[in-house]
Amino acid sequence: DARVTQTPRHKVTEMGQEVTMRCQPILGHNTVFWYRQTMMQGLELLAYFRNRAPLDDSGMPKDRFSAEMPDATLATLKIQPSEPRDSAVYFCASGLVVLSGSGNTIYFGEGSWLTVV
Amino acid sequence: KQEVTQIPAALSVPEGENLVLNCSFTDSAIYNLQWFRQDPGKGLTSLLLIQSSQREQTSGRLNASLDKSSGRSTLYIAASQPGDSATYLCAVSGGTSYGKLTFGQGTILTVHP
Repeated sequence: DARVTQTPRHKVTEMGQEVTMRCQPILGHNTVFWYRQTMMQGLELLAYFRNRAPLDDSGMPKDRFSAEMPDATLATLKIQPSEPRDSAVYFCASGLVVLSGSGNTIYFGEGSWLTVV
Repeated sequence: KQEVTQIPAALSVPEGENLVLNCSFTDSAIYNLQWFRQDPGKGLTSLLLIQSSQREQTSGRLNASLDKSSGRSTLYIAASQPGDSATYLCAVSGGTSYGKLTFGQGTILTVHP
């Protein structure tokens, strides 16, 4: 049963520390997303990639966040330095997105629950 | 900028009731609309996807409709069960940035026995 895999599932870190979250998208999917979920803001898109190329990272604070796809099986989201306001659930999602035809269902991982103290 | 609104924010019903969750979006130039379910502490599970050219999709006790011109979608749940208790999220994919989803804030559904 194909699924999006995220690590770590839970992370507690001190302010100022670097945090790296990893995602293995579903094999064959061409689009990978990073979302952040908080009670106040709901789900916000941070960045996404198509065929490993970054398409949009306008939702991401550029000074401390970075997202990369070193290869088709790995996407990373890094926060350096982390701050308490970064505490949230970070979801990775993937999909096979095409312009025409059926499909385009987006599949989400279980999330990385980050607490910055 | 696309905005998605879900009403109601929370809903509590007795088991067995049929119910409707509402979703509206401001920009009708969408590529598709997806309904997701999220259980506490879990990720999102896709329930139904409706392409912009479609009017509705059905899966078991779930039926989702789409009226693109008016910017509305509904999720109908028949014969609700306690196991349906979760947060239901509506998301639209924009016409010029296909794949990128804009989410509503969700409806928290509680079905009590």
